[in-house]
Amino acid sequence: SYELTQPPSVSVSPGQTASITCSGDELGDKYACWYQQKPGQSPVLVIYQDSKRPSGIPERFSGSNSGNTATLTISGTQAMDEADYYCQAWDFNTHVVFGGGTKVTVL
Amino acid sequence: QVQLQESGPGLVKPSETLSLTCTVSGGSISSYYWSWIRQPAGKGLEWIGRIHTSESTNYNPSLKSRVTMSVDTSQNQFSLKLSSVTAADTAVYYCAREVTETSNWFDHWGQGTLVTVSS
Repeated sequence: SYELTQPPSVSVSPGQTASITCSGDELGDKYACWYQQKPGQSPVLVIYQDSKRPSGIPERFSGSNSGNTATLTISGTQAMDEADYYCQAWDFNTHVVFGGGTKVTVL
Repeated sequence: QVQLQESGPGLVKPSETLSLTCTVSGGSISSYYWSWIRQPAGKGLEWIGRIHTSESTNYNPSLKSRVTMSVDTSQNQFSLKLSSVTAADTAVYYCAREVTETSNWFDHWGQGTLVTVSS
């Protein structure tokens, strides 16, 4: 079955750039999307189709996808960005696949 | 604005069937895929399966033998049944709307409902 791998945690200082990776076999040939989940809340879509931002998502969130790795980048990270982030892709056999999640800590 | 609301028992006994319903408001349920996703406490998201309003379904291969989904377009609702539950099925269960345009993503989620499997 298809799998997506994320680092368990990423730490970033306020105002700096956080990069969260998501790795999967030939992931660049698929589309990836990203969700933000704060404690006790439902996930919120922050990036879809690799790099598109839904309405209402700040410009500091951006995404890319190439080779075996998709990346979510948070530029000028704010304290409010502290959350868990999940990547997701579609695989023909497994259908919807989520990464294991990355906890972003703003120190 | 589309809103989703999960409903169903919060406690299910081992070996019994978990049943949840998701009610969609603020928009039509038609022409979309609708998914169930769960999250055990402190763990990641697991996709359970999806149903289209045409009643086409896709299930997570790891759960397929225990999952049944249905849709009621007249009520703007879709449902999940998970049979033979064990403690490992204890989780927050979310319903979500799936957009499928070249790829897929979930643009609207319910607030989630905690289901505990215990005797």
